[in-house]
Amino acid sequence: DTGVSQNPRHKITKRGQNVTFRCDPISEHNRLYWYRQTLGQGPEFLTYFQNEAQLEKSRLLSDRFSAERPKGSFSTLEIQRTEQGDSAMYLCASSLVEAGIPGGYTFGSGTRLTVV
Amino acid sequence: GENVEQHPSTLSVQEGDSAVIKCTYSDSASNYFPWYKQELGKGPQLIIDIRSNVGEKKDQRIAVTLNKTAKHFSLHITETQPEDSAVYFCAARGGSSNTGKLIFGQGTTLQVKP
Repeated sequence: DTGVSQNPRHKITKRGQNVTFRCDPISEHNRLYWYRQTLGQGPEFLTYFQNEAQLEKSRLLSDRFSAERPKGSFSTLEIQRTEQGDSAMYLCASSLVEAGIPGGYTFGSGTRLTVV
Repeated sequence: GENVEQHPSTLSVQEGDSAVIKCTYSDSASNYFPWYKQELGKGPQLIIDIRSNVGEKKDQRIAVTLNKTAKHFSLHITETQPEDSAVYFCAARGGSSNTGKLIFGQGTTLQVKP
């Protein structure tokens, strides 16, 4: 297992276009998280999944954002009608919950989105 | 809401000196406190973590201390090396149910001068 994989690494899109990012977590991890990071800031929570169930969504996640994790494996994050304010690094992380206790995160390298 | 404050925002030390980064958290139910190192163009990497039932944890040159009463925790790096230069983030996990959500600090840019 090579860790958490995110694709693409970089995405430049025009305002108003839709974009989709993919995250492949560590295979035995049952939790998957999406975070957003802007320059000079810490990551901000967007949403997370336990297996295929989306358990929590941040208020940051407007109705233009949607995330899925079909079959509890990889996940996709889609942004519709992109705005310049969506420009950021989108980070995916996974962890293993054992005996009800979440473990530490392993982050991917992120997808850097630039909306022009 | 939940909040994590981190200081300083930048820190410059000479190689071999120690570096200390401090964080405070607002949610008294928080029970897990990891530290991450982020290098340019990469995702954050977990370097050490501590749970609320422990006051201190050490791993070679890195140590973390936790003061639950004061709701603050600190990262200590001894004998710093140029490869320690990076952005460091503290985080806290809320205590409500078994949420895995982490709240991150704003980050500290550490520069170790050779």
